[in-house]
Amino acid sequence: AQSVAQPEDQVNVAEGNPLTVKCTYSVSGNPYLFWYVQYPNRGLQFLLKYITGDNLVKGSYGFEAEFNKSQTSFHLKKPSALVSDSALYFCAVRDTDSWGKLQFGAGTQVVVTP
Amino acid sequence: DSGVTQTPKHLITATGQRVTLRCSPRSGDLSVYWYQQSLDQGLQFLIQYYNGEERAKGNILERFSAQQFPDLHSELNLSSLELGDSALYFCASSVDPGPSSGNTIYFGEGSWLTVV
Repeated sequence: AQSVAQPEDQVNVAEGNPLTVKCTYSVSGNPYLFWYVQYPNRGLQFLLKYITGDNLVKGSYGFEAEFNKSQTSFHLKKPSALVSDSALYFCAVRDTDSWGKLQFGAGTQVVVTP
Repeated sequence: DSGVTQTPKHLITATGQRVTLRCSPRSGDLSVYWYQQSLDQGLQFLIQYYNGEERAKGNILERFSAQQFPDLHSELNLSSLELGDSALYFCASSVDPGPSSGNTIYFGEGSWLTVV
């Protein structure tokens, strides 16, 4: 079975500093990895995904993620964080055992302070 | 806006009651997923339908059921509600649900259910 782990419950960063949200995965076969963001009282918004190809994936709102096969990681990054980036971030892996549902990590709360 | 529409946005009901949550997938998407988000359980997969047929089942209680209609909209029925069923219920959709598909799964805004 596929799974992802987000080792940090919360990440605190000052506005303008780089932001990194960590995710590690465990899959059998090729991993299909996703990042979603949930703003307060809102739904899950798709940020980016890794399917194949370049290890550096660019997504919405200036976010990018680096796929590292040897470390089984898919960390989300943003060079310069904004206060408006404060939200709950979820890493997910597409399940290859069944009909492709997403398995989510526990989520990481990002707090960006002015 | 993801294109996935969920109604109602908020719902307050009493224990023992039954509610129906409705979802309209993105135009052209054949697969619908239901997820439950609660503080203690995180995001839990409930059930998945593809073109009207059930394809995968997760940790869905026997009190809960779902279906996908010919027009592809889906409904999640929750019955004999308990306080612990209070949660945010998400519907999501994608074009191709296959396990080797890289298609994105898009989520609606969710339906907040409060059981009192």
